Amino acid sequence: GENVEQHPSTLSVQEGDSAVIKCTYSDSASNYFPWYKQELGKRPQLIIDIRSNVGEKKDQRIAVTLNKTAKHFSLHITETQPEDSAVYFCAASIAGGTSYGKLTFGQGTILTVHP
Amino acid sequence: DAGVTQSPTHLIKTRGQQVTLRCSPKSGHDTVSWYQQALGQGPQFIFQYYEEEERQRGNFPDRFSGHQFPNYSSELNVNALLLGDSALYLCASSPQATNEKLFFGSGTQLSVL
Repeated sequence: GENVEQHPSTLSVQEGDSAVIKCTYSDSASNYFPWYKQELGKRPQLIIDIRSNVGEKKDQRIAVTLNKTAKHFSLHITETQPEDSAVYFCAASIAGGTSYGKLTFGQGTILTVHP
Repeated sequence: DAGVTQSPTHLIKTRGQQVTLRCSPKSGHDTVSWYQQALGQGPQFIFQYYEEEERQRGNFPDRFSGHQFPNYSSELNVNALLLGDSALYLCASSPQATNEKLFFGSGTQLSVL
């Protein structure tokens, strides 16, 4: 089955700096890659996603890049703010076919943004 | 829109007992997935329900079972609880048309003593 590795496990930055979280996946059939943000005691929330037919996607201060050949994708947060502090999870799935909505998650990255 | 709602929020059980967790999907969503999130880990897929049937299952034993009702709400049942079943159980819903975009509930924190 699919395996997703996520690094780093913890990341500490100063407010205004950029943060980068990287993930690798094992199943070359995976074609959908979402990122979730989970604040302490709260539900995971989808912040951005990318499909395998796109190499990069941006939404304000957040961007995701995908390298299908190397089977890795990354989350980039620019101009970080204290409210960006949370646990971030990457995930991979095979959208469509029989693998409907089965996400394989990485282990998570605890991001701390210091004021 | 109430989003995905789960009940109860917290639950304490002892080994060997049985537990039922409940989930109401987001309005307009007809597909429900269940995930187990151990402390400090990413969520792990348990199974997914669509049209009242289990459509796909992760690597979990038969002690984990579920059900989906005609109104799309769902239940997760766990029999013969083990200490290792202690975790946050998350329900996620999605519309069939774009089923990969999951919207999660806040979860049920299960503690097995």
